[in-house]
Amino acid sequence: AQSVTQLGSHVSVSEGALVLLRCNYSSSVPPYLFWYVQYPNQGLQLLLKYTTGATLVKGINGFEAEFKKSETSFHLTKPSAHMSDAAEYFCAVSYFGNEKLTFGTGTRLTIIP
Amino acid sequence: DARVTQTPRHKVTEMGQEVTMRCQPILGHNTVFWYRQTMMQGLELLAYFRNRAPLDDSGMPKDRFSAEMPDATLATLKIQPSEPRDSAVYFCASGLRERNTEAFFGQGTRLTVV
Repeated sequence: AQSVTQLGSHVSVSEGALVLLRCNYSSSVPPYLFWYVQYPNQGLQLLLKYTTGATLVKGINGFEAEFKKSETSFHLTKPSAHMSDAAEYFCAVSYFGNEKLTFGTGTRLTIIP
Repeated sequence: DARVTQTPRHKVTEMGQEVTMRCQPILGHNTVFWYRQTMMQGLELLAYFRNRAPLDDSGMPKDRFSAEMPDATLATLKIQPSEPRDSAVYFCASGLRERNTEAFFGQGTRLTVV
């Protein structure tokens, strides 16, 4: 079985500050890891994904995440927050041969002007 | 611009009524998912299909929910009879098995059962 834990249901950062959203996973097989973003009344949009290869992955809107197997983590970062980053962020896991996504509970990011 | 299309976007219905939600997956995608989002439970997988065949519907209440793919361009999720606890946002997503990567989500159907 696989699972995802997102630490912090709400995170607030000042505009221009570093964004760090935490995600830890549990999987008995090599995982595929994803970050999705959800704006109000919208569907989920893929920010970035890790399947194999380079452990530092870059996504849209300046976000990146690093897969750390030893820490079972896949934290999302952005060097400088923008007001438009305010949204809910979901970490998800699947694995090769089973594309069902298991989602974390989400982190609501608020940007302080 | 390829996208997953869900209809209706909003639905208000009375308890006991049948509800049908529709999804048009991205053309060429062979995997379709139905997720439900609520404040209490977050995002839950209800069912998913590959090449129109159901692979897993273990997350779906069998007595009142049913999911089908009449053809490759249409997936449906039905609730009969609906109950207030079914109020949620229902998302359809599609993907391509051979790439085994991300799922593309529709905008969702917000269901309110009164």
